[in-house]
Amino acid sequence: DIQMTQSPSSLSASVGDRVTITCRASQDIRNGLNWYQQKPGKAPKVLIYDASNLEIGVPERFSGSGSGTDFTFTISSLQPEDIATYYCHQYDNLPYTFGQGTKLEIK
Amino acid sequence: EVHVVESGGGLARPGGSLRLSCAVSGLIFRDAWMSWVRRAPGKGLEWVGRIKKGGTADYPAPVEGRFSISRDDSKNIIYLQLNNLKAEDTAVYYCTHIAWSASRRGPAGFDTWGQGTLVTVSS
Repeated sequence: DIQMTQSPSSLSASVGDRVTITCRASQDIRNGLNWYQQKPGKAPKVLIYDASNLEIGVPERFSGSGSGTDFTFTISSLQPEDIATYYCHQYDNLPYTFGQGTKLEIK
Repeated sequence: EVHVVESGGGLARPGGSLRLSCAVSGLIFRDAWMSWVRRAPGKGLEWVGRIKKGGTADYPAPVEGRFSISRDDSKNIIYLQLNNLKAEDTAVYYCTHIAWSASRRGPAGFDTWGQGTLVTVSS
């Protein structure tokens, strides 16, 4: 199975800050990676697909980059409504696997 | 717009069974690849299986042989049969639609999620 190592596990930042989350795959997954946002009591929502493509309707402050084994998710200017847990997810190989999640809080 | 609605969650005893349903609308269902993902209390997301167009299913090792996914294309519904349940199967179960990646020419991640249905396994 492909292990997805996501860091940090939690993050506290101020409104307006640039926030970065990383995900490392245990083997090459090409660009087969999504980033999801999950707010408490809600279903996950896809923000980035195929590693770097912004899902329709998602604000442009969200972005993703990387390929192979190393991936980055960035919020360019943190907003209060971005408080959530974020997950990376690889779909290049079965079984699908997720990162452990990053819980984002406002300072 | 694709909509996904799960039902069938509840309380089950260890060793018991439960069947979850997922009603799907807004797409050509018979062509859809669908998946189930769960989130246990205090834990992250975990994939529990997928069903392709035509009905072939795939599962991860922790649930293979206990869980099974089926589909009824006449009703636009997929099912997740949970057998021999264990306490560690307690989770919110989400039904998801698997997107198709034109650039990768194959199945991709999950672009639509239901609100989830809670399964609690306890004596």
